[in-house]
Amino acid sequence: KAGVTQTPRYLIKTRGQQVTLSCSPISGHRSVSWYQQTPGQGLQFLFEYFSETQRNKGNFPGRFSGRQFSNSRSEMNVSTLELGDSALYLCASSGGQRSTNEKLFFGSGTQLSVL
Amino acid sequence: AQKITQTQPGMFVQEKEAVTLDCTYDTSDQNYGLFWYKQPSSGEMIFLIYQGSYDEQNATEGRYSLNFQKARKSANLVISASQLGDSAMYFCAPLTQAGTALIFGKGTTLSVSS
Repeated sequence: KAGVTQTPRYLIKTRGQQVTLSCSPISGHRSVSWYQQTPGQGLQFLFEYFSETQRNKGNFPGRFSGRQFSNSRSEMNVSTLELGDSALYLCASSGGQRSTNEKLFFGSGTQLSVL
Repeated sequence: AQKITQTQPGMFVQEKEAVTLDCTYDTSDQNYGLFWYKQPSSGEMIFLIYQGSYDEQNATEGRYSLNFQKARKSANLVISASQLGDSAMYFCAPLTQAGTALIFGKGTTLSVSS
């Protein structure tokens, strides 16, 4: 079974630009979550999508948005990039059953550098 | 807000030694799950082990086991017989309410030397 696939693996952008990251979940998984990881703040939850609807949201500005398609693939968009957006963006998929033992399966991440 | 504490920023052990990585959490919930993930330098988060708050036995998965002390809100990860490939960051993450996001601690960097 293929794992979670994130593309691209690396991205370099300049301030003010926008960027779109893609995540393909494990086949059959309906939930996709996004996390931002920086050395200073650690792993922070961005949002979760389930059946094409945002089901949960972290504390990030509106410049960060996402969507999920009918095949459960998800995209994350960051508009008007700032230097502080440089981070590893991790996507995770799960069945979406909302149980306290639901395991997340992560992709290898997209390393975004904003210059 | 939920608080997860991993007090050891870095740990250094030799191959074949056992190591314990600490994790404490702050919750008033009675029903919750505890997850440990490993993040090697490649970046991918790898699930290691899970403990349910109502599980009577401490969880074990191969060389990984949990020292779960519910009253102390502590879920320390024990790695027996460390290997070079265990060098990575390790994150503890409680899930205190179904439907909420998995919130991670700051992590512990484990370095295993030969």
